[in-house]
Amino acid sequence: DAKTTQPNSMESNEEEPVHLPCNHSTISGTDYIHWYRQLPSQGPEYVIHGLTSNVNNRMASLAIAEDRKSSTLILHRATLRDAAVYYCIRGAGTYKYIFGTGTRLKVLA
Amino acid sequence: DVKVTQSSRYLVKRTGEKVFLECVQDMDHENMFWYRQDPGLGLRLIYFSYDVKMKEKGDIPEGYSVSREKKERFSLILESASTNPTSMYLCASSLVSLGYTFGSGTRLTVV
Repeated sequence: DAKTTQPNSMESNEEEPVHLPCNHSTISGTDYIHWYRQLPSQGPEYVIHGLTSNVNNRMASLAIAEDRKSSTLILHRATLRDAAVYYCIRGAGTYKYIFGTGTRLKVLA
Repeated sequence: DVKVTQSSRYLVKRTGEKVFLECVQDMDHENMFWYRQDPGLGLRLIYFSYDVKMKEKGDIPEGYSVSREKKERFSLILESASTNPTSMYLCASSLVSLGYTFGSGTRLTVV
C-alpha cells in the first residue's frame, strides 16, 4: 500500500514550532517523500520534498529518519496562515502521487 | 509564475447532466492529473495523462472519461452527474517526477 499514515489533526499555538509526523514504513529506496498543504478552498500547494537527507527551505524543514520509514515536517514558527491540511506523500512510481487524508493543523492565536 | 487554470470555480448541475471540466497549464509539463476530493476522503485520483493522447485510469475512473488532444490541455467528462455531496475536482500537472502544481479546483454541486 502506497499510502502514508498521519494523525488526523494537530493543534499549535501561534509562533511556536510544529512537528507534523508521517509514517511510510513500506517506502522503497527510490521513492521521494513529498509534503503538500491545502489552505481552505484552494488546491494543494508544494511545501518540501526529500529523499534521504534532511531538507530546509523558506517554508519548512523536513527531517527524514535514518531508515526512511518516517519523516517529520517542521514549521519553525507557526502563524495563523499556516492553518491547513498537510499531506505527506511518497512517490508511487515515477510520477503518480497517492494522497491520504492528511493532518488538519489548527493554529491558536 | 507557473499556472494551472481550471475552467470553472463553481458549477451547479442537475442529476443526469453531463459535466465537462477543462484544465490548462502553461508550463509545458508532460503529466496532468484529475483528482476528486470529497469530505473525509482526501484526494482520489480519477485519471492521469503522461503525454498527448495518452491516459491511464486512477483509483476511481468509473463514470468519467478524459481527453488530452494538446499538451497543455486535459479535459474531464463526467457522463452523468449524480446527487452526491458536493465534490471538489482538482487538476494538477507535473514535469516527470518533480512536484505537482495544482489548480484552484472546481466545486461541483448536483441538484
